Amino acid sequence: GQNIDQPTEMTATEGAIVQINCTYQTSGFNGLFWYQQHAGEAPTFLSYNVLDGLEEKGRFSSFLSRSKGYSYLLLKELQMKDSASYLCAAMDSNYQLIWGAGTKLIIKP
Amino acid sequence: GAVVSQHPSRVICKSGTSVKIECRSLDFQATTMFWYRQFPKQSLMLMATSNEGSKATYEQGVEKDKFLINHASLTLSTLTVTSAHPEDSSFYICSARDHGGGDSYEQYFGPGTRLTVT
Repeated sequence: GQNIDQPTEMTATEGAIVQINCTYQTSGFNGLFWYQQHAGEAPTFLSYNVLDGLEEKGRFSSFLSRSKGYSYLLLKELQMKDSASYLCAAMDSNYQLIWGAGTKLIIKP
Repeated sequence: GAVVSQHPSRVICKSGTSVKIECRSLDFQATTMFWYRQFPKQSLMLMATSNEGSKATYEQGVEKDKFLINHASLTLSTLTVTSAHPEDSSFYICSARDHGGGDSYEQYFGPGTRLTVT
């Protein structure tokens, strides 16, 4: 079957760094997405990885290892506004997104 | 970036009535649109995939006669919740995929519709 695993909740301190891990099992693979979702709002796109390696975009970076079925989202210089849920989604061979349950990130001052 | 609008943003209806939710891609053509439902503190649940000009493909467990989807044009898809019941109360989100550019198959999300059935 197809499955995405990510931690349910994480807590970090303002100004620090946090890494949110995601492992996936899909029928075929066409890339890995990370989305941010604030409470009561729709998800917003953060990153897309289809090749192995690290993609850096400002304070956010995303890493992919296809051989390990593993990705992580790295958030640096955490700000209070980064408190949100972070959704990992893998695209299967039919270009369908398989969604993880999301990781709720709590930032403390 | 690409913009997707959704209307209405909030709707309260009585049990037994029907509600229509519109999803529009404003600055791109979307041959494929997706409808999701999200219950509090849960992840997105794909309900159906809608392709312009053809019947929607529903996920297992989603009643196609209850959740009517119409994708009549490249910029508009509608979801009608028929004979709504309180258990249909949820956050409904649409997304659209831009096939006109890029290889990422990124989905652009609408702002969501909060449905409350009383």
